[in-house]
Amino acid sequence: AQSVTQLDSHVSVSEGTPVLLRCNYSSSYSPSLFWYVQHPNKGLQLLLKYTSAATLVKGINGFEAEFKKSETSFHLTKPSAHMSDAAEYFCVVLLRDSSYKLIFGSGTRLLVRP
Amino acid sequence: DTGVSQDPRHKITKRGQNVTFRCDPISEHNRLYWYRQTLGQGPEFLTYFQNEAQLEKSRLLSDRFSAERPKGSFSTLEIQRTEQGDSAMYLCASSSAGTDTQYFGPGTRLTVL
Repeated sequence: AQSVTQLDSHVSVSEGTPVLLRCNYSSSYSPSLFWYVQHPNKGLQLLLKYTSAATLVKGINGFEAEFKKSETSFHLTKPSAHMSDAAEYFCVVLLRDSSYKLIFGSGTRLLVRP
Repeated sequence: DTGVSQDPRHKITKRGQNVTFRCDPISEHNRLYWYRQTLGQGPEFLTYFQNEAQLEKSRLLSDRFSAERPKGSFSTLEIQRTEQGDSAMYLCASSSAGTDTQYFGPGTRLTVL
């Protein structure tokens, strides 16, 4: 069965320092993986997705993620945090049955200190 | 492309009342999904449609819940005899068949008193 585990419920960084949000996945076949961001009172926005092409995926707003099959990981990074990055981030795996439904992790809340 | 819209954005109701939410997907998308998100958790799948056909329902969807997509465009989610445990954010997403990217609406936040 497919699942994702987000290793940190909260991450706090200072503005201008790197961001690392960790995600491990479980899948019986090559997965499709996503990171979504949710700002307060706003909908979920797709940051980036991995679908078996390049293992290093670049997304919007300077975020990127690296798919590591040997570690079953898909960690999200950004070289320099901005105050506007403060939000909830979800690691997501696509269930490859007929539904193509998404399985979400429990989320990581990113706090950015000035 | 106006994105996925949901109405209302907020709903407060008393226990035992019925509520109905609406979702308008991106116009050319034939797949429509409903998810529920409780506080501090990630969204969980409830049900999905391909065109007007409801093809799968989660075990989370009790018989008090019903969803429709009568003409393969907008969808409604109705909850009958609401309970306090129904309080959550209800999210709608749409996609094109055969693609893996779902686009989400802003959600409807339900509070059951």
